[in-house]
Amino acid sequence: EPEVTQTPSHQVTQMGQEVILRCVPISNHLYFYWYRQILGQKVEFLVSFYNNEISEKSEIFDDQFSVERPDGSNFTLKIRSTKLEDSAMYFCARKPGSLSGNSPLHFGNGTRLTVT
Amino acid sequence: EDQVTQSPEALRLQEGESSSLNCSYTVSGLRGLFWYRQDPGKGPEFLFTLYSAGEEKEKERLKATLTKKESFLHITAPKPEDSATYLCAVQGGGSNYKLTFGKGTLLTVNP
Repeated sequence: EPEVTQTPSHQVTQMGQEVILRCVPISNHLYFYWYRQILGQKVEFLVSFYNNEISEKSEIFDDQFSVERPDGSNFTLKIRSTKLEDSAMYFCARKPGSLSGNSPLHFGNGTRLTVT
Repeated sequence: EDQVTQSPEALRLQEGESSSLNCSYTVSGLRGLFWYRQDPGKGPEFLFTLYSAGEEKEKERLKATLTKKESFLHITAPKPEDSATYLCAVQGGGSNYKLTFGKGTLLTVNP
């Protein structure tokens, strides 16, 4: 059973619309990550979030994307003005242990985003 | 830039037929090499972490090994339930946060 719960499991949206993907950890953690996987391609890093701030982001994570932890529990990824190429599986992940440690990431089961 | 290449892209085995998956990597200051299993429509499920050349880890029918340039995932006497995509990822010294993944090896084990 994954240690983070993602909702919704599948989201269909029209091009240009905004979507919010949600991640709920089972226990209280400070370090969260978003990755995505376009069909048939590699899992790609988007952003890491620590103590309510972005720690690192990839070149994919442009102004179209934002992350926040609005209520101290849920962790959200917002995509403004979605494009066809945003269609992908989006995975939330958490990291146990210390920030600089080498403990592995534990992933949720993802949200499949389909932009039409 | 960290890079990970996995081979083969797909592997079909008969139940009980042992084999190995390869993960070649280039990274600046390896902090960890990770193996994950991914079932269709699911997120990656953590299997192993390897930190330094010569290290080995085992779990049931799986054994992961690491050299300075590559890692192998050995599957001994596989069963149909081992069918999945196996992903390799590295964490380089330049980041506390980012994993770089390979495209994976799709393993199918026929009964």
